[in-house]
Amino acid sequence: GAGVSQSPRYKVTKRGQDVALRCDPISGHVSLYWYRQALGQGPEFLTYFNYEAQQDKSGLPNDRFSAERPEGSISTLTIQRTEQRDSAMYRCASSLAWASGGVTDTQYFGPGTRLTVL
Amino acid sequence: GQNIDQPTEMTATEGAIVQINCTYQTSGFNGLFWYQQHAGEAPTFLSYNVLDGLEEKGRFSSFLSRSKGYSYLLLKELQMKDSASYLCAVRGGAGNMLTFGGGTRLMVKP
Repeated sequence: GAGVSQSPRYKVTKRGQDVALRCDPISGHVSLYWYRQALGQGPEFLTYFNYEAQQDKSGLPNDRFSAERPEGSISTLTIQRTEQRDSAMYRCASSLAWASGGVTDTQYFGPGTRLTVL
Repeated sequence: GQNIDQPTEMTATEGAIVQINCTYQTSGFNGLFWYQQHAGEAPTFLSYNVLDGLEEKGRFSSFLSRSKGYSYLLLKELQMKDSASYLCAVRGGAGNMLTFGGGTRLMVKP
């Protein structure tokens, strides 16, 4: 079946512009996560949703970053007034469940959006 | 807070066995995951441990000791395609978000 998809795959923008990154999770997956990954590092948690409710946004770096999932499916991560330090790979993941304590909590990652801020 | 440590790089020979270690210190623990990530690609799920012991899946096995805050990923009969980064990730406390280590880049040589 279809995996997690993200768009755009690459985004180049100028400093000060707003960007919106889209994530389409695996069909039927309840939970959706956003991570940021620097080159040569593991993903760093940003925020996550169960259905449409944002459960934790403690990883968002500052108030220029926001995320939504209004219908409990597709999610958008928005970065306002982008800065060069925002340049990174932004990854989305989804899981079937979130509290089973078992393998159904496994997160499956999308291909990511490579954001470059000039 | 969470702290996950794993070696930065390892090298092994095709056909051999390699063990990648991961140690963690977390405020809570609710499972440990291993992911494989080839250069330029998304992390892909390899294994999950929540109880102590060994989980075997084909050429890959993962071990967990919760009392020691320790896990390892064992790769047998190494193939060239196993050259990749291997990420250890811990789920701790409330919620399902993962804290990842920096990854171990494994190079398999002929």
